[in-house]
Amino acid sequence: AQSVTQLGSHVSVSEGALVLLRCNYSSSVPPYLFWYVQYPNQGLQLLLKYTTGATLVKGINGFEAEFKKSETSFHLTKPSAHMSDAAEYFCAVRGGEKLTFGTGTRLTIIP
Amino acid sequence: EAGVVQSPRYKIIEKKQPVAFWCNPISGHNTLYWYLQNLGQGPELLIRYENEEAVDDSQLPKDRFSAERLKGVDSTLKIQPAELGDSAVYLCASSSISGTYNEQFFGPGTRLTVL
Repeated sequence: AQSVTQLGSHVSVSEGALVLLRCNYSSSVPPYLFWYVQYPNQGLQLLLKYTTGATLVKGINGFEAEFKKSETSFHLTKPSAHMSDAAEYFCAVRGGEKLTFGTGTRLTIIP
Repeated sequence: EAGVVQSPRYKIIEKKQPVAFWCNPISGHNTLYWYLQNLGQGPELLIRYENEEAVDDSQLPKDRFSAERLKGVDSTLKIQPAELGDSAVYLCASSSISGTYNEQFFGPGTRLTVL
């Protein structure tokens, strides 16, 4: 069985500031981990994924995440926030063919 | 390449009425998923199809929900009768079986409001 915990349902950062969205997971098997972004009234879009290999993964729109097995974490970061980053972000873990999502973090960018 | 298409985008019905959602996956994708997304929550899997076969429907409330995927392409999700608690966004996703990882591509969803 697997589960995902996203700390902070709402995060606000100033434009140009560091974005840090937290995700901790639980998995009974080596995990595949994902971050998705959802803009208003749209479906989910894959930002990045970790399957095997390098623990620091880079995704689209300047986002990256680091898989830390010892901390069971997969936090999402971006060095400098843009207004266009305002959206809902979901962390997910894959077990078999099933994706289990966290409850999401709404990111607000302050001009 | 066209993405996953869903219709309608929005639906408002009264409780106890039936409702149906349609999904057209990305061409060539043989795996299709229906997810339920409640307000402020992440998506939860309702059913997964491999071609025409429903291989995981353990989370589908079968007393009122049904789904079909005729010919292994388009899919329809039905609720009959709808209840107030069914108000949510219903997402469809598809993926292609290839390699060790098959990315799921999501449609825009159908937002259902039950009055």
